[in-house]
Amino acid sequence: GNSVTQMEGPVTLSEEAFLTINCTYTATGYPSLFWYVQYPGEGLQLLLKATKADDKGSNKGFEATYRKETTSFHLEKGSVQVSDSAVYFCALSRGNQGGKLIFGQGTELSVKP
Amino acid sequence: ETGVTQTPRHLVMGMTNKKSLKCEQHLGHNAMYWYKQSAKKPLELMFVYSLEERVENNSVPSRFSPECPNSSHLFLHLHTLQPEDSALYLCASSQERGAKNIQYFGAGTRLSVL
Repeated sequence: GNSVTQMEGPVTLSEEAFLTINCTYTATGYPSLFWYVQYPGEGLQLLLKATKADDKGSNKGFEATYRKETTSFHLEKGSVQVSDSAVYFCALSRGNQGGKLIFGQGTELSVKP
Repeated sequence: ETGVTQTPRHLVMGMTNKKSLKCEQHLGHNAMYWYKQSAKKPLELMFVYSLEERVENNSVPSRFSPECPNSSHLFLHLHTLQPEDSALYLCASSQERGAKNIQYFGAGTRLSVL
């Protein structure tokens, strides 16, 4: 079946450090891939997405590239800020399942000043 | 502000109570969703409504009863819940169902069952 696996958290970084959060997926065909972010006390917000192989999604300094050969969609940011502290969710969606989102378990990021 | 509003934000109920969660979207979307978010677990999709018709029910116990009276409102009626039902319940909406449709989430209702 379809599934998403994220690296375990929590991840603790100093401000301005480089961030990578790994995400790999299992799915047949060509799913769409998403990163959502959940700030404390809030719901999920879409951070970025990619809908086909080799697409790069980007937003607010975050990037992720859809790699079909490695079935990965790793999230990266060159210089994190304290305000980036949140839980990050990788997710996939397949058209033949009516857009149902399959989420990873989430990775908590804590950025220290 | 995502355009999806959930009330109440927090709810404490006993196992014999009946309560309802409300979700309202101001985005003109046609699809709405209920998710359950428990600690250390991936989000679980509970129900999907498309054009006010329930199109997906992921083996959710009958003590959870959804209702979609129109395309802007979604309710989750709760009765005789169990302590393990304590979680954050998230509502989402999207323009249509479909892989490329972005889902917009509300802030959630934090439910505690005593």
